[in-house]
Amino acid sequence: GENVEQHPSTLSVQEGDSAVIKCTYSDSASNYFPWYKQELGKRPQLIIDIRSNVGEKKDQRIAVTLNKTAKHFSLHITETQPEDSAVYFCAARKGSARQLTFGSGTQLTVLP
Amino acid sequence: DTAVSQTPKYLVTQMGNDKSIKCEQNLGHDTMYWYKQDSKKFLKIMFSYNNKELIINETVPNRFSPKSPDKAHLNLHINSLELGDSAVYFCASSPTGANYGYTFGSGTRLTVV
Repeated sequence: GENVEQHPSTLSVQEGDSAVIKCTYSDSASNYFPWYKQELGKRPQLIIDIRSNVGEKKDQRIAVTLNKTAKHFSLHITETQPEDSAVYFCAARKGSARQLTFGSGTQLTVLP
Repeated sequence: DTAVSQTPKYLVTQMGNDKSIKCEQNLGHDTMYWYKQDSKKFLKIMFSYNNKELIINETVPNRFSPKSPDKAHLNLHINSLELGDSAVYFCASSPTGANYGYTFGSGTRLTVV
């Protein structure tokens, strides 16, 4: 089955700096890659996703890049703010699968 | 209008008891899931239902059983609760098709004492 590895497990940045979280996946047939943000005590919420026919997608301060050849994808957050502090999960799914396979999560802390 | 709602939000119970967690979605999604999130935040798939058919059943103890009366509901029943069952349980739903993410419920924090 699919295996998704996520790094780093914790990340601290100064407010205003950029943050990058990386994930690798094992199944080359995977074609959908969402990212979720989970604030303390809250539910995971979809913040951005990318499909395998696209190499990069941006939404304001958030961007995701996908390298299908290397089987990795990354989340980039620019101009970080304290409210960006949360646990971020990457995930992957292939067309024949019902479920998403999640990475192990990254605790991002933005220091004021 | 809560899209995916779970009840209860908190559940404290003694070892050996039987409990249920309810989940309802009003998004018209075809597939619903239960995930367990442990203290290290890892999200582990437990079950998913598509059109009232169980299509994924990971290696969870048979003390856990999903029940889906219709495609808008997926309840989780747990028998003979153990200390290790303490976790946050999330319900989620998604449309049919690979290129869609999940919408999660607000979670149920289960504490077994």
